[in-house]
Amino acid sequence: DADVTQTPRNRITKTGKRIMLECSQTKGHDRMYWYRQDPGLGLRLIYYSFDVKDINKGEISDGYSVSRQAQAKFSLSLESAIPNQTALYFCATSDPTSGGAGEQFFGPGTRLTVL
Amino acid sequence: KQEVTQIPAALSVPEGENLVLNCSFTDSAIYNLQWFRQDPGKGLTSLLLIQSSQREQTSGRLNASLDKSSGRSTLYIAASQPGDSATYLCAVRPGQGAQKLVFGQGTRLTINP
Repeated sequence: DADVTQTPRNRITKTGKRIMLECSQTKGHDRMYWYRQDPGLGLRLIYYSFDVKDINKGEISDGYSVSRQAQAKFSLSLESAIPNQTALYFCATSDPTSGGAGEQFFGPGTRLTVL
Repeated sequence: KQEVTQIPAALSVPEGENLVLNCSFTDSAIYNLQWFRQDPGKGLTSLLLIQSSQREQTSGRLNASLDKSSGRSTLYIAASQPGDSATYLCAVRPGQGAQKLVFGQGTRLTINP
C-alpha cells in the first residue's frame, strides 16, 4: 500500500463550489505539505503543517484553507473554487529527525478541474 | 530569491545510453537538493537526496552530484532503459529552516527501444 494517499484522484467541479482534497499517510511523519503543480510554473507550496496544532501558509495560500485532523491526515479546502485553481495538487510528508534530513515524499496527486 | 533551472526541457535517447540531466540554482546557500521522477498523471517519486555537505549520492544506476559553489547538480543515469522514461525534477531546500522546496521545471526524458 502507498505510504501517502490522496482522495479523490480526479475531480471536476464548477466555479463557486466548495471542494475538499484529502491526504493520509502511514509514514508516521509529523510534517505534511500541500503543493500545486501548473504547467510552466512548476510546484508551489500552498500550506504546511509541523503537527496538529501548527499550520503555516506557503507562498500561494490565498483561496485555500487546511485542516490537520490528526498526525496522519491533512486536508486542503477550496472554499469557493475558481477556474485558475485548476491544477494538479500534491500532498507530501517529511520527517526532519530521520537520516534523510527532511526528504519529502509525495502522494499520487489530485487532478482538479474547475469549470 | 532562489531559482532552479533544468536544461534541456526534453531529451530523447536510444536505449542503453548513459545520460546526464542538469540542474542549476542561483543561490549556493542550500540545505539539500532532491531529485524526483514524475510519471504522467502520477505523483513524484524521490530518487536521491544530497545534503549540502555531500558531493554525490548513488542508488543503483543513478548517481547525483552536487557542486554548491557553482550552483549545479547532475543526475547521471547509466545504461538507460525504456522504463526510465519520465519527467525528472530537481528541487532545492534553501535552508534548514525553510520548509518549501524550490523546484525546477523538469526534464522530460524519453528512452527509445
